[in-house]
Amino acid sequence: EIVMTQSPATLSVSPGERATLSCRASQSVTSNLAWYQQKPGQAPRFLIYGASTRATGIPARFSGSGSGTEFTLTISSLQPEDFAVYYCQQYNNWPLTFGGGTKVEIK
Amino acid sequence: EVQLVETGGGLIQPGGSLRVSCAASGFSVSSNYMSWVRQAPGKGLEWVSVIYSGGTTYDADSVKGRFTISRDNSKNTLYLQMNSLRAEDTAVYYCARGHSGSYLAFDIWGQGTMVTVSS
Repeated sequence: EIVMTQSPATLSVSPGERATLSCRASQSVTSNLAWYQQKPGQAPRFLIYGASTRATGIPARFSGSGSGTEFTLTISSLQPEDFAVYYCQQYNNWPLTFGGGTKVEIK
Repeated sequence: EVQLVETGGGLIQPGGSLRVSCAASGFSVSSNYMSWVRQAPGKGLEWVSVIYSGGTTYDADSVKGRFTISRDNSKNTLYLQMNSLRAEDTAVYYCARGHSGSYLAFDIWGQGTMVTVSS
């Protein structure tokens, strides 16, 4: 099983600042990596697939990068609605696995 | 509107069985890869099962032999039959559609249905 490790567990950022979230895979997942946003009491929201392609309707302030084992989600200028938990997911190998999440909170 | 609506969750005793459903609208479950993903209270996301458009299924080791994913094309509905339930199966169960460009990333999610396994 591929283990996905996200860091940091919690990121405190002021509105308008840049947030950088990391996701590391225990072995290569090539570019088969997705990112999701989840707010309390809600289902996850699809943000990024193929490591760097934004899903339909996702604002340009969200960007993904990386390949192999190291990936990054960057939110260029945090808006109030961006404070949430973010998960990465690999879909290169069975079983499909998620990272433990990064909570982005207001500083 | 493209939508998934889960139903059927509830309180069930350990060792019991439960079937949760996921009704789709705006697209066909039979033409897409469909999955169940669960989230234990206060925890992260865990993939459970997938059914391919061709009917092939895969399950996580944690549920293999106990859970069965299926679909009814005439009702455009996805199911998860859960047997021999354990306390550690307590979670919100989400159904999710595989994204057309990546198949096993999930672009549409339901609102979830809570399953609590407790005596």
